[in-house]
Amino acid sequence: QVQLQESGPGLVKPSETLSLTCTVSGGSIRSYYWSWIRQPPGKGLEWIGYIYYSGSTNYNPSLKSRVTVSADTSKNQFSLKLTSVTAADTAVYYCARATVVTTDTFDIWGQGTVVTVSS
Amino acid sequence: QSALTQPPSVSGSPGQSVTISCTGTSSDVGSYNRVSWYQQPPGTAPQLMIYEVTYRPSGVPNRFSGSKSGNTASLTISGLQAEDEADYYCSSYTSSNTVVFGGGTKLTVL
Repeated sequence: QVQLQESGPGLVKPSETLSLTCTVSGGSIRSYYWSWIRQPPGKGLEWIGYIYYSGSTNYNPSLKSRVTVSADTSKNQFSLKLTSVTAADTAVYYCARATVVTTDTFDIWGQGTVVTVSS
Repeated sequence: QSALTQPPSVSGSPGQSVTISCTGTSSDVGSYNRVSWYQQPPGTAPQLMIYEVTYRPSGVPNRFSGSKSGNTASLTISGLQAEDEADYYCSSYTSSNTVVFGGGTKLTVL
């Protein structure tokens, strides 16, 4: 079955760029929308943005100026870059797959990766 | 976009029913049947429990049901079991082709 695995640095310094990658195994990245979602400690979920395998993207308006999501079909991966991070960006970051023909219903999630922003 | 509004906590005894509300606006919940519900036990990733307001993915017990009226969606869990204790989040598609989540509700089984 399809599995997702997030990877990337667990510690990022303030003002720097957070970079994460989600590797898709057991299935193809093609024909689905793929999202990044985060959860600050003790708080709720926040949708960050999505990408279609062809490259079409959309982002949370509150993060749009700092976010880039990209995909590499040859590696069956998609990635997140978040610039100018602050302590408020400390969170568990999840990658997730939307069900076929939707952008907003997430049926498969990665286990999540903790990212701490601190000097 | 503002987060959907959920009660911070609900509780119920085993066997009882509980309902969690999720209030949005005419730009999200009120205009689209694209409301989902997720269950998140502590320390784990969310799991899809309800999609498109009323549909259950394969494997989700029929004790879980969803509904919507106007700008408010609801998740009802009947025949409450200890294993249902978790955080629950609603989400909705929006008119900007984005996704907005609720603030989450902690369900305690007494």
